[in-house]
Amino acid sequence: EAQVTQNPRYLITVTGKKLTVTCSQNMNHEYMSWYRQDPGLGLRQIYYSMNVEVTDKGDVPEGYKVSRKEKRNFPLILESPSPNQTSLYFCASSLSQRTYNEQFFGPGTRLTVL
Amino acid sequence: DAKTTQPNSMESNEEEPVHLPCNHSTISGTDYIHWYRQLPSQGPEYVIHGLTSNVNNRMASLAIAEDRKSSTLILHRATLRDAAVYYCILRDDYGGSQGNLIFGKGTKLSVKP
Repeated sequence: EAQVTQNPRYLITVTGKKLTVTCSQNMNHEYMSWYRQDPGLGLRQIYYSMNVEVTDKGDVPEGYKVSRKEKRNFPLILESPSPNQTSLYFCASSLSQRTYNEQFFGPGTRLTVL
Repeated sequence: DAKTTQPNSMESNEEEPVHLPCNHSTISGTDYIHWYRQLPSQGPEYVIHGLTSNVNNRMASLAIAEDRKSSTLILHRATLRDAAVYYCILRDDYGGSQGNLIFGKGTKLSVKP
């Protein structure tokens, strides 16, 4: 089954403790991205990747890092999480960044930073 | 990407058609109209997209006004599973795009049995 998977689905952590949220897709997609969803602010893009070893900042990249060493994986790294990063995170992928390619979203990771 | 305006919420009865409107008066000639939906506790899901002509797929139909300043997503027979927030999104298609979808507040659709 074609899908985007994320782990963990739920995470409660404390300020400053480094964490990684994994994202993996099995559709051989070139384009992957991370969004965060907050009440009243909708979904906003954090980082995106056009292909392996090519990543770039989205609209709200502060406090996050990403890497794209393999085509299927695109982990989101929070080196020193803070309470304002408490949010619902979604990973997405598509064949390319072009508009005619639909984007597939993962099930989400709910992160709480105390 | 241009801005869209959608009603905050709509209600429908099960097995009846639903017409979800979207206004995009500042749409440019190269903006595609996309619809995504987000079911409760799930990630967004692609529904349909179009440029000028009406489009149909297994999930829905998209009717685009002749002047392209508005569009309507049509669910032909609403089911309880269609209860979700529906987002109308405009996306310009150019090679330098960062590929992000700009989600507004969307329309929360409730379906009554």
